[in-house]
Amino acid sequence: DAGVIQSPRHEVTEMGQEVTLRCKPISGHNSLFWYRQTMMRGLELLIYFNNNVPIDDSGMPEDRFSAKMPNASFSTLKIQPSEPRDSAVYFCASSFMGGGTYEQYFGPGTRLTVT
Amino acid sequence: QQQVKQSPQSLIVQKGGISIINCAYENTAFDYFPWYQQFPGKGPALLIAIRPDVSEKKEGRFTISFNKSAKQFSLHIMDSQPGDSATYFCAASMDSNYQLIWGAGTKLIIKP
Repeated sequence: DAGVIQSPRHEVTEMGQEVTLRCKPISGHNSLFWYRQTMMRGLELLIYFNNNVPIDDSGMPEDRFSAKMPNASFSTLKIQPSEPRDSAVYFCASSFMGGGTYEQYFGPGTRLTVT
Repeated sequence: QQQVKQSPQSLIVQKGGISIINCAYENTAFDYFPWYQQFPGKGPALLIAIRPDVSEKKEGRFTISFNKSAKQFSLHIMDSQPGDSATYFCAASMDSNYQLIWGAGTKLIIKP
C-alpha cells in the first residue's frame, strides 16, 4: 500500500486566494483526520470523519475552513479566503476504527505558505 | 480534563544515554496511550502503545512505563542513538471516542 497520499506537498499562495488540500486515505480505513501543525500551537486536530461522515469539526478554526469526504478514498480541506496566519503544515491521517485499534497513519503533509 | 500534559519541551541526551519523556493525564476514562515519533519533513508515526492493564511495555530500546494511580506514563529510550533524534508525541484515547488527545511534543536531540 502506498500509505496516505496528500497533494500538493507544498503550496504557496497569496492572501485572499482559495486553497484546496487533498488526501487519499489508506484503502480499507474508515476514519480520516485533518491536522494542522505549527511551532506555536503544535499538532491540532481540525476535523475527523468516520465512514465519510464528519464526526467532530470543533477544531476547525473558523468558517473560512471547510472539509469534505465525498467517498471513502478522497477528502479535501479548503481554506477560502486564505490568510497569512493559516501558514502551517497540514496533515491528513487515516485509521481503521474497530477491534480496539486506534493507530493513525499520517501522510507526508502539505506545507502551506500564505503571503 | 481532556488534556495530556507532556514534558520536557526539549531534551538533549548524549549518545548511549537514556532519554525519558513524561506525560500526565486527568481523564480516567482514557484506555489507550500511544507514543508517536516524527522526523523533520515527515508525518508522525506510531512508535509504541500501552493499555492501562499493564505497567510496562518494551519494544527493543523503547519502553513505556505506566502508572495508573498517578495518571502518568513515560517513554524511555535506552542506549539513545543519533538516529533517535526526532519529536516525540504522547497521546491518549478512549473506546467511546476514537479521537487521540495529543501532548505538545518533545524535541529530542541525541548528541554523538
